Amino acid sequence: DAMVIQNPRYQVTQFGKPVTLSCSQTLNHNVMYWYQQKSSQAPKLLFHYYDKDFNNEADTPDNFQSRRPNTSFCFLDIRSPGLGDAAMYLCATSTRQSSYNEQFFGPGTRLTVL
Amino acid sequence: AQSVSQHNHHVILSEAASLELGCNYSYGGTVNLFWYVQYPGQHLQLLLKYFSGDPLVKGIKGFEAEFIKSKFSFNLRKPSVQWSDTAEYFCAVRPSTGTYKYIFGTGTRLKVLA
Repeated sequence: DAMVIQNPRYQVTQFGKPVTLSCSQTLNHNVMYWYQQKSSQAPKLLFHYYDKDFNNEADTPDNFQSRRPNTSFCFLDIRSPGLGDAAMYLCATSTRQSSYNEQFFGPGTRLTVL
Repeated sequence: AQSVSQHNHHVILSEAASLELGCNYSYGGTVNLFWYVQYPGQHLQLLLKYFSGDPLVKGIKGFEAEFIKSKFSFNLRKPSVQWSDTAEYFCAVRPSTGTYKYIFGTGTRLKVLA
């Protein structure tokens, strides 16, 4: 089945220790998104790619970076995680062809910062 | 600024009760509307969507939603809930043009008592 895969599902890191979360998709979608979701809050868009074009949200901290080496893969790098970065990180994809196409989500990576 | 409001944060119902979850959005242009569901331990998945035509749309598992343009609303309904509907429900909006971004509400956590 075509899908969005996130690894790892659970990540524990120490305060200030860099961490990388990965996302892959078999849907061949042009657009990939990273969201941060904290308990009882809406998913917060961090950035998205349209193909290789990177779009950063104005309020995404510089601590968060992303890479998309090819259509299938996208990475979220947190350079110096703080306690406030503990959250669920969601990867999603969509096609650019039409705005009525929905997003497809991965299962998320739950990040714990000690 | 664009926003999506879900007024019910927690809803508890008994099986067979009727459900209506509110969703209102703030955006001046044409939008496409989505409801996503997240079952415990699972990823976000599409329940239904609206982009044009009949404002009453039907989705999976007996859910439906009605788009009322004059009220900027897209409320989710189900006539008779089941225990298996226990989940978190998110309303999302995507402007029809000019962006690949989806705007999410804060979610409604539904618990159905057997």
